[in-house]
Amino acid sequence: DTEVTQTPKHLVMGMTNKKSLKCEQHMGHRAMYWYKQKAKKPPELMFVYSYEKLSINESVPSRFSPECPNSSLLNLHLHALQPEDSALYLCASRKGGGTDTQYFGPGTRLTVL
Amino acid sequence: GEDVEQSLFLSVREGDSSVINCTYTDSSSTYLYWYKQEPGAGLQLLTYIFSNMDMKQDQRLTVLLNKKDKHLSLRIADTQTGDSAIYFCAVSFSTDSWGKLQFGAGTQVVVTP
Repeated sequence: DTEVTQTPKHLVMGMTNKKSLKCEQHMGHRAMYWYKQKAKKPPELMFVYSYEKLSINESVPSRFSPECPNSSLLNLHLHALQPEDSALYLCASRKGGGTDTQYFGPGTRLTVL
Repeated sequence: GEDVEQSLFLSVREGDSSVINCTYTDSSSTYLYWYKQEPGAGLQLLTYIFSNMDMKQDQRLTVLLNKKDKHLSLRIADTQTGDSAIYFCAVSFSTDSWGKLQFGAGTQVVVTP
């Protein structure tokens, strides 16, 4: 089983709203990732969690706040977003060794009005 | 940093073979991946190859790696309409503990009847 699930599938929010994206995997993977993807472009890495600790923040604005409550769950809290933040947000996980592949979830399509 | 380049578009007739090409600049790339992304979906790992291999075959998919020319290709035999998607080439390095991926821009493959 190589499944990464993400909820919700679609999200529309105003610039003053607070919302959260959720990602879950039950493969025992110890590294989890958030990516942002604009249409027809490759994914851009935002955050990396390794063993539930934030390891990489690719200079992401503070209006995006990641959280890893346990080894299976990854959240992305959103607050005061801008219309240009509208994108597909992808979660991925990896077993944890340097040679392991990343498996992606289906993504959350976010629209900021 | 690593540059990964792909042609942006490929049109192929149903039943023909498709060949998608990728070039990269850093010869210390350790793992090379092909991901498929259908409209509105996440990235699906199709196949990967270690840098000490020349070729890998998996059903209709054949991956060829030319390390001297830093060239990776994905051949899809008997292309079907369901193969229409964007295909991303990605590379990673064993020296990177976080398994970060460097993506190409993606090749949009359109399969015509």
